[in-house]
Amino acid sequence: DGGITQSPKYLFRKEGQNVTLSCEQNLNHDAMYWYRQDPGQGLRLIYYSQIVNDFQKGDIAEGYSVSREKKESFPLTVTSAQKNPTAFYLCASSIRSSGANVLTFGAGSRLTVL
Amino acid sequence: AQTVTQSQPEMSVQEAETVTLSCTYDTSENNYYLFWYKQPPSRQMILVIRQEAYKQQNATENRFSVNFQKAAKSFSLKISDSQLGDTAMYFCAFMKQVNGGATNKLIFGTGTLLAVQP
Repeated sequence: DGGITQSPKYLFRKEGQNVTLSCEQNLNHDAMYWYRQDPGQGLRLIYYSQIVNDFQKGDIAEGYSVSREKKESFPLTVTSAQKNPTAFYLCASSIRSSGANVLTFGAGSRLTVL
Repeated sequence: AQTVTQSQPEMSVQEAETVTLSCTYDTSENNYYLFWYKQPPSRQMILVIRQEAYKQQNATENRFSVNFQKAAKSFSLKISDSQLGDTAMYFCAFMKQVNGGATNKLIFGTGTLLAVQP
């Protein structure tokens, strides 16, 4: 079945450590996205990528980094510069067109900083 | 900048009854798209329904329908014959086109937590 796989589902990090969240899709989608979800704030866009080797900052990119070396993969690194990294992270993907592209989401990763 | 507002943090409805979730948005764009996504306790985001702004006809998907009022910038979701499985957080979302239409970014509201009571 086609879909998006995020791993790990739960991750614990000590302050000062970088962590990388994995996102893999087999939908042959060109565009991929990372969102952060906090209680009472909905989803906010961190980074997005339209094609391989290209990505743009979203609304809250500070303290995060991404790479897009393969079409199927869009890992997110939460760096020690992110002041409040504890959150639920959602990866999504979509086709590229001028129409109403529907985003397909992964099951999410919960990051907790100890 | 576009904003999406969901003014009802929580709602409750009896099984088999009808409920309407509110959403308003602010934009200067003329062409855009609106969505309702559902996030059940599993936290998997699932598309419920979508609406193209250029279409006057309200979108319908089985028990789910929208009331799209473009002039008022309102996009409410009506759930008919509510079922226990409808219990979830519901997010309204706005999509504009960026970079010449090659990529679409979703802007989400803060969500409405709907509880369907037996």
